[in-house]
Amino acid sequence: DSGVTQTPKHLITATGQRVTLRCSPRSGDLSVYWYQQSLDQGLQFLIQYYNGEERAKGNILERFSAQQFPDLHSELNLSSLELGDSALYFCASSVEVRTGELFFGEGSRLTVL
Amino acid sequence: AQTVTQSQPEMSVQEAETVTLSCTYDTSENNYYLFWYKQPPSRQMILVIRQEAYKQQNATENRFSVNFQKAAKSFSLKISDSQLGDTAMYFCAFMGSGTSYGKLTFGQGTILTVHP
Repeated sequence: DSGVTQTPKHLITATGQRVTLRCSPRSGDLSVYWYQQSLDQGLQFLIQYYNGEERAKGNILERFSAQQFPDLHSELNLSSLELGDSALYFCASSVEVRTGELFFGEGSRLTVL
Repeated sequence: AQTVTQSQPEMSVQEAETVTLSCTYDTSENNYYLFWYKQPPSRQMILVIRQEAYKQQNATENRFSVNFQKAAKSFSLKISDSQLGDTAMYFCAFMGSGTSYGKLTFGQGTILTVHP
């Protein structure tokens, strides 16, 4: 158990819909990261937050947004969903960004039908 | 932009034997970090081993060791005395320094199967 909690574990929805994925980082970790894992794109970095502020952005679509709240949990919002958004979405956290040691949650499996 | 390449989509090994997974990367940075992450069927990503580019000594963690060749931009993972629990997908990952801290670039992964 990494200490990172993601909900929901599985989610099935329809095209055009909007979903919110939630992440609670390990106790004490200020940095939260979101990654997308799909068969065609592999594992891709989406976005990073540090203590409530956006720190870095990767290949995140404009239809996607994220935020980190004062209690350090984070949410990833995916809207106007398309079939290609079906993927495993990982949240990870770290206490020190320089180590690169990320603690990953079990992921949220999103299926768009 | 950095790229990470894992040329072996699948590998298999007998229990107790040794296997080496390959990884090459491309970067113009001089200071960076390299990692091997493991994703078992439970799908949770787990850090296996970490190497800092400025350190010449190869990292070792119990049965796991790396062969880091900076000039060749090669970073292979050796698993000794393979165990059934090592069955997983293994990802090589790169992290630059400075503003790239925390942003991991992953390879496509290698599926490793350990046979009894």
